[in-house]
Amino acid sequence: DAGVIQSPRHEVTEMGQEVTLRCKPISGHDYLFWYRQTMMRGLELLIYFNNNVPIDDSGMPEDRFSAKMPNASFSTLKIQPSEPRDSAVYFCASSLIMNTEAFFGQGTRLTVV
Amino acid sequence: AQSVTQLGSHVSVSEGALVLLRCNYSSSVPPYLFWYVQYPNQGLQLLLKYTSAATLVKGINGFEAEFKKSETSFHLTKPSAHMSDAAEYFCAASSASKIIFGSGTRLSIRP
Repeated sequence: DAGVIQSPRHEVTEMGQEVTLRCKPISGHDYLFWYRQTMMRGLELLIYFNNNVPIDDSGMPEDRFSAKMPNASFSTLKIQPSEPRDSAVYFCASSLIMNTEAFFGQGTRLTVV
Repeated sequence: AQSVTQLGSHVSVSEGALVLLRCNYSSSVPPYLFWYVQYPNQGLQLLLKYTSAATLVKGINGFEAEFKKSETSFHLTKPSAHMSDAAEYFCAASSASKIIFGSGTRLSIRP
């Protein structure tokens, strides 16, 4: 398996624009997580899915953020409209079952100018 | 609420010296515990995990960690540091719901 695949690796966008981050989890993994990493706040869990269903989105910072998982092999994290304070590295991770290790993608570095 | 505390945001050791990175967890139920490593511009990679089998857990690259319930600790050690160990290390805990990460410790290795 190629591991968790995220795209794009880098994204630079202007404030107010819509941004969509994409993730392909490892095949067969039932859990998918979206994390945000910044110097100030470290690694924050934004939302996680179990079998394509959102279970906990309490970490989503604002209504500008939304995440979907239309099928077992694809998830998106959307920010609309984007703001400079959204600049961060966004990681997607997947795991086979809860309480096992999560496998991380390479991340998407988002810069909002 | 469950939390993970890593003492020391930055640790610097000499090449060949002992590496000790500290992690304490706060949970009423012993959780599953993990150590991850992050190299620059990379995602997190699992170093080792504790899942209530053996209290001393061996991982990749010569690292190991010991689970001590009485101290609620899961410190990471390596007997002899190598230059390639320079990275950021994250302790994490999982208990029934989500995985919570500590704030990370940046390990620097002096030649």
